[in-house]
Amino acid sequence: QSALTQPASVSGSPGQSITISCTGTSSDVGGYNYVSWYQQHPGKAPKLMIYDVSERPSGVSSRFSGSKSDNTASLTISGLQAEDEADYYCSSYTGSSTVFGGGTKVTVL
Amino acid sequence: QLQLQESGPGLVKPSETLSLTCNVSGGFIDSSSYYWGWIRQTPGKGLDWIGSIYYTGSTYYNPSLKSRLTISVDTSQNHFSLRLSSVTAADTSLYHCARQDILTGYSYTNWGPGILVTVSS
Repeated sequence: QSALTQPASVSGSPGQSITISCTGTSSDVGGYNYVSWYQQHPGKAPKLMIYDVSERPSGVSSRFSGSKSDNTASLTISGLQAEDEADYYCSSYTGSSTVFGGGTKVTVL
Repeated sequence: QLQLQESGPGLVKPSETLSLTCNVSGGFIDSSSYYWGWIRQTPGKGLDWIGSIYYTGSTYYNPSLKSRLTISVDTSQNHFSLRLSSVTAADTSLYHCARQDILTGYSYTNWGPGILVTVSS
């Protein structure tokens, strides 16, 4: 299984919206609605932000939203805030395994 | 509040076996709603799924590690373990254990802080 493809970095100014893409294949992202997104601050464990493509766990800001089209999933952060600066990882569950993306560093300018 | 904590040696010699345990507190490992997994993270290289286990003992492994990997569960001790044999420097990573929730698309909802394992002689 190959890692999902994410851009290495995305940046935006406070208040702006940014979108992170996550590209896989029909065997993972395109074949299942089990895409998740994780936020990781330096020195911390990853935190679940989105599951089932577009569902937010309790306590996660509505500024975070997810979507999917064919083999590409996306995470959008609206109203970018300084605290959103972190690494973001997508993942896809494939029925018997999980595959992660390479991660995207989000910088708030 | 569910907590997971990894434990084990921080230094392993090449060709030897890496053994880690994840202790689960604040919840029971024999719940039918969860799998329990291991994920490793190498600086600058992102997250790498190692494998997961159900409380019944059913296991799911990353194909690239399958020949060297054993994940087991001990419901009486409320912990699960990882053994990775014939390690090399490429296995040097921060190893996380995590709970995988069936009800949230098999996402990893709770993570341990991670334990750094270095493979070196």
